[in-house]
Amino acid sequence: AQSVTQLGSHVSVSEGALVLLRCNYSSSVPPYLFWYVQYPNQGLQLLLKYTSAATLVKGINGFEAEFKKSETSFHLTKPSAHMSDAAEYFCAVARMEYGNKLVFGAGTILRVKS
Amino acid sequence: NAGVTQTPKFQVLKTGQSMTLQCAQDMNHEYMSWYRQDPGMGLRLIHYSVGAGITDQGEVPNGYNVSRSTTEDFPLRLLSAAPSQTSVYFCASRVGTALNTEAFFGQGTRLTVV
Repeated sequence: AQSVTQLGSHVSVSEGALVLLRCNYSSSVPPYLFWYVQYPNQGLQLLLKYTSAATLVKGINGFEAEFKKSETSFHLTKPSAHMSDAAEYFCAVARMEYGNKLVFGAGTILRVKS
Repeated sequence: NAGVTQTPKFQVLKTGQSMTLQCAQDMNHEYMSWYRQDPGMGLRLIHYSVGAGITDQGEVPNGYNVSRSTTEDFPLRLLSAAPSQTSVYFCASRVGTALNTEAFFGQGTRLTVV
């Protein structure tokens, strides 16, 4: 069954530094993968999604993610962190049950230091 | 651009009380769902609906009921609140059930049961 694992519940980076948030998936079929961001006291917002068209996916706010089948990974990166990037990030995979529901990872809280 | 609207934003209930969390979307989406978010556990699916008049249970349905009389509305009812239902609840909608469709989330309802 499809699922995702996010490595690191908290990540701290300095402003201007590279952001790397890790997500590994398990799936017996080509997966549909998503990254969402949740700002404090708000709902989740889609950052980007992988649907097999291209392995490098660009999203909003300068984020991108690379699908690596050999590593079963879909890590999220941003070259230079901004203070406004501080939020919780969720990786998700579409799963063929419950009406093709989304299965979410436990989330990674990103802290950006000035 | 209302998207998905949830009310109320905050609620405190006493054990045993009942209440309804409201959710409405104006995007004519077929698929609607309710999740609960608990620290370190990501989002877990409570109930979902693939269209008006059709509802089904998700992963954690006990203690909750839903109905879908119209495409737009998908209320979640807590039958007899328990402290274990203290959580943040999110309503989400998707245009359909295809695996590559992303979910749009409401702003959430923070529920405390005392």
